[in-house]
Amino acid sequence: SQTIHQWPATLVQPVGSPLSLECTVEGTSNPNLYWYRQAAGRGLQLLFYSVGIGQISSEVPQNLSASRPQDRQFILSSKKLLLSDSGFYLCAWSPQGANYGYTFGSGTRLTVV
Amino acid sequence: TQLLEQSPQFLSIQEGENLTVYCNSSSVFSSLQWYRQEPGEGPVLLVTVVTGGEVKKLKRLTFQFGDARKDSSLHITAAQPGDTGLYLCAQGSNYKLTFGKGTLLTVNP
Repeated sequence: SQTIHQWPATLVQPVGSPLSLECTVEGTSNPNLYWYRQAAGRGLQLLFYSVGIGQISSEVPQNLSASRPQDRQFILSSKKLLLSDSGFYLCAWSPQGANYGYTFGSGTRLTVV
Repeated sequence: TQLLEQSPQFLSIQEGENLTVYCNSSSVFSSLQWYRQEPGEGPVLLVTVVTGGEVKKLKRLTFQFGDARKDSSLHITAAQPGDTGLYLCAQGSNYKLTFGKGTLLTVNP
C-alpha cells in the first residue's frame, strides 16, 4: 500500500532563518506531488506541484521554493523566512495523470517568530 | 481558476441532528471530491463524484452531484461527535486540485 511521510510535525523558526520541509511517498512510482499551505484551518492554497523529477510548477510567487531530487521525494525550502510564512503545510500525492485520489500527509505546523 | 463556494462556513449542531452542506461553482465540474479534515491532520478523501445526478452513500453520509455538474451537497444523517471536522470540496484539472474554503462542523454531545 502507498504511504506518505511528512516531517517535522511542528517547527518554530526565527525570522530570517532557512527552511527545509521534506515529504516522501512509498509504494508507488512516478506520482504527482504537491505542496499546499493552509491558513487559519480553512481552505488550502496550492504552492507547488511536480509531475516528474526536476519538474516544478509554482502557483504563487512567494518566498518559498520546491525541489524534487528523487521520484518520490519533494522538498519545500526557503532561504529566509518571513512572519507571513507561518501556517500549516501539507504535502500530497496523486497517481500520475489523475485529477483525483489525492492522499495528504499529516502536515507541518510552521510558526515563524 | 474555478472558484468553489462552500456554505455554510460554520455549523454547530447537537448529536442526532441531520445536516446538509453545499459546494457550488459558476463553471461545470469535471469531477468533484469531498474531504474531511480533523484539527492538526491532513484532509482525508471521502468520495469522488463524476457523473451529473450521481448519488453516493458512505454510511450516514450521502453525497450528491448536481445534474448540471455545477454543484454538490453532502448530507449527514444523525450526526455524531466523531463527525466534527472541516469538510472541504475540491475540483481537479490539469494535475491541480482547487479547494473551497470548507464548512467547519461541530457536533455537540
